[in-house]
Amino acid sequence: KAGVTQTPRYLIKTRGQQVTLSCSPISGHRSVSWYQQTPGQGLQFLFEYFSETQRNKGNFPGRFSGRQFSNSRSEMNVSTLELGDSALYLCASSLGGVAEAFFGQGTRLTVV
Amino acid sequence: AQRVTQPEKLLSVFKGAPVELKCNYSYSGSPELFWYVQYSRQRLQLLLRHISRESIKGFTADLNKGETSFHLKKPFAQEEDSAMYYCALRRGSGNTGKLIFGQGTTLQVKP
Repeated sequence: KAGVTQTPRYLIKTRGQQVTLSCSPISGHRSVSWYQQTPGQGLQFLFEYFSETQRNKGNFPGRFSGRQFSNSRSEMNVSTLELGDSALYLCASSLGGVAEAFFGQGTRLTVV
Repeated sequence: AQRVTQPEKLLSVFKGAPVELKCNYSYSGSPELFWYVQYSRQRLQLLLRHISRESIKGFTADLNKGETSFHLKKPFAQEEDSAMYYCALRRGSGNTGKLIFGQGTTLQVKP
């Protein structure tokens, strides 16, 4: 079956702009989580959605937001981009509960 | 506070040598512990989890609640084991997908 798909794979944006990243989970998976990966901070949890509801939120400013649609696809949005937002953004999906999380290839965001 | 600590950024061993990647955690409840691996140019993938108690690709990890550790071990390292390894923690109640990751350890297996 198809894995977790993230689009786009690469993105270059200017400071102050906003960006939307997309994640298509594995078919049947209802839980989608987002992570930011940087060399300095490692992998940090952004938020988790389950059945269109945000279930958990990490310690990120309000400029970072997300949503999940009825087909479980998820988007995350970052407004007023800062240079420090440059990172690899990873999405993971799972069936929920104690099920394994599967990760996408990530979207590499560069803010200039 | 929930925290996962991997004290080594880089571990370099020769092929055939034993490997131990250290992971310590801080959590007040009963956590689930995982090891994830990221090979070069590949996505992050689950290597093993403590509740399954499996051995995957020769790797094992035992949860030591007394020492709050979940070290990853392999008796004989192979060159194809070279990768980035992340230890991660999840609340054990099962109603969250939130993973807390350590900073990762790069394992380099030299020929």
